[in-house]
Amino acid sequence: AQSVAQPEDQVNVAEGNPLTVKCTYSVSGNPYLFWYVQYPNRGLQFLLKYITGDNLVKGSYGFEAEFNKSQTSFHLKKPSALVSDSALYFCAVRDEGHTGGFKTIFGAGTRLFVKA
Amino acid sequence: EAGVVQSPRYKIIEKKQPVAFWCNPISGHNTLYWYLQNLGQGPELLIRYENEEAVDDSQLPKDRFSAERLKGVDSTLKIQPAELGDSAVYLCASSELATDTQYFGPGTRLTVL
Repeated sequence: AQSVAQPEDQVNVAEGNPLTVKCTYSVSGNPYLFWYVQYPNRGLQFLLKYITGDNLVKGSYGFEAEFNKSQTSFHLKKPSALVSDSALYFCAVRDEGHTGGFKTIFGAGTRLFVKA
Repeated sequence: EAGVVQSPRYKIIEKKQPVAFWCNPISGHNTLYWYLQNLGQGPELLIRYENEEAVDDSQLPKDRFSAERLKGVDSTLKIQPAELGDSAVYLCASSELATDTQYFGPGTRLTVL
C-alpha cells in the first residue's frame, strides 16, 4: 500500500539559514511526488512536483526538492529561509500503480517555524 | 484567473442537523476532489469526480455523506445527519484531466456542537 511519511512534526530554523523538510514515500509503481504549503485559514498551495527526469526539482518561492529513488525520499529544501516561509508543509504521492486508477496520498504535514 | 471557490467558509451546526458545502472549480478543470482535513493532519480524499462521474468514492461514508456534480462544473457535498466527529475542514480541489497538480480552495471549517 502506498504511504507518505513526514517524520518531523515541526522544524525550526533561523532566518537566512538553509532549511530541509523531510519526506519519505512508499508506492507500488512509479511515484509522482508533490509538495504543498498551507498558510493559516487557507487552502493548500502547490509548490513543486516530480514526475520524471532531473532529480532536483525547482518550484515556487525559491523552494526545491530532491528525488532520491534508492532512499525513497523527496526532501524539500531552501537555501535561505524567510520568516514568511513559516507555514505547514505537506508532501504527497500519487501512485500510478493503484488498482482502478490513481490516488494521491498526503503526509501528516510538517510545521515550519522561521525565527527572525 | 479565479481560483477554486468554496462556500461557506465557516459553518456551525448542532449534531443531527444537515449541512451542505459548495465548490466551484477553476474554469476548464474537469477533475474535482473533496477532501477532509482534521486538525494536525493531511487532507484525506472523500471523493473524486471526472466530469460528472464519481470515479473514486471509496472513502466517502455513504450512510451520511453524499455528493453531486450534475453539470460537470460545480459540486455540492452534503452531510445528513451531522455527527460531532464530522467537525473538520472540508477542502475542494480541482485539476485538469491530463495533469496531476491540484489547486485547492480555502476550505469550509465545520463545527458540530
